[in-house]
Amino acid sequence: ELKVEQNPLFLSMQEGKNYTIYCNYSTTSDRLYWYRQDPGKSLESLFVLLSNGAVKQEGRLMASLDTKARLSTLHITAAVHDLSATYFCAVNYGGATNKLIFGTGTLLAVQP
Amino acid sequence: DAGVTQSPTHLIKTRGQQVTLRCSPKSGHDTVSWYQQALGQGPQFIFQYYEEEERQRGNFPDRFSGHQFPNYSSELNVNALLLGDSALYLCASSLAGYTYNEQFFGPGTRLTVL
Repeated sequence: ELKVEQNPLFLSMQEGKNYTIYCNYSTTSDRLYWYRQDPGKSLESLFVLLSNGAVKQEGRLMASLDTKARLSTLHITAAVHDLSATYFCAVNYGGATNKLIFGTGTLLAVQP
Repeated sequence: DAGVTQSPTHLIKTRGQQVTLRCSPKSGHDTVSWYQQALGQGPQFIFQYYEEEERQRGNFPDRFSGHQFPNYSSELNVNALLLGDSALYLCASSLAGYTYNEQFFGPGTRLTVL
């Protein structure tokens, strides 16, 4: 069974700083997703990464995918308080059914 | 364009009872997946419905069952509730055969079992 691991589990950072969240997965997959979840809320889709070397950026967030290393990163640039949330990576496992296996999540707290 | 909707928003049940959760997919989508998210954890795949059939199932007991209707909406039923069934239940919809097959999540139903 595919396993997805994220680190760190908790990240406290100051506004204006940069940091990276890592997502490792154990079995080959053709799709990787990043989601954001605010407390008590549902999942908001951030990025869909489909191929090796894929890089996508939206605002202060940039995601990349290395399928050979089975590694994805979510880089935060010049963090602001509004980015405080839990971030999940999820990997497609099940081909056409697109069953998603989620990581443990990274709770990001951006301090002023 | 309405996104994925779920009802009810919150639900409180006692052990042994049965519960039914409902989901309407995003307009144009034909596939519904259900996930369970316990507090402090990532969502866990329960099952997926397509063309009114269960297409794939995660590691959940038979107490968890579902249904998909001709209009693509779906229900999740849980029988003989246990305390451990307390969680946020998320419904996600997608379009089968679409290249990216991205899933869009609903707001969730928070189930508390006492």
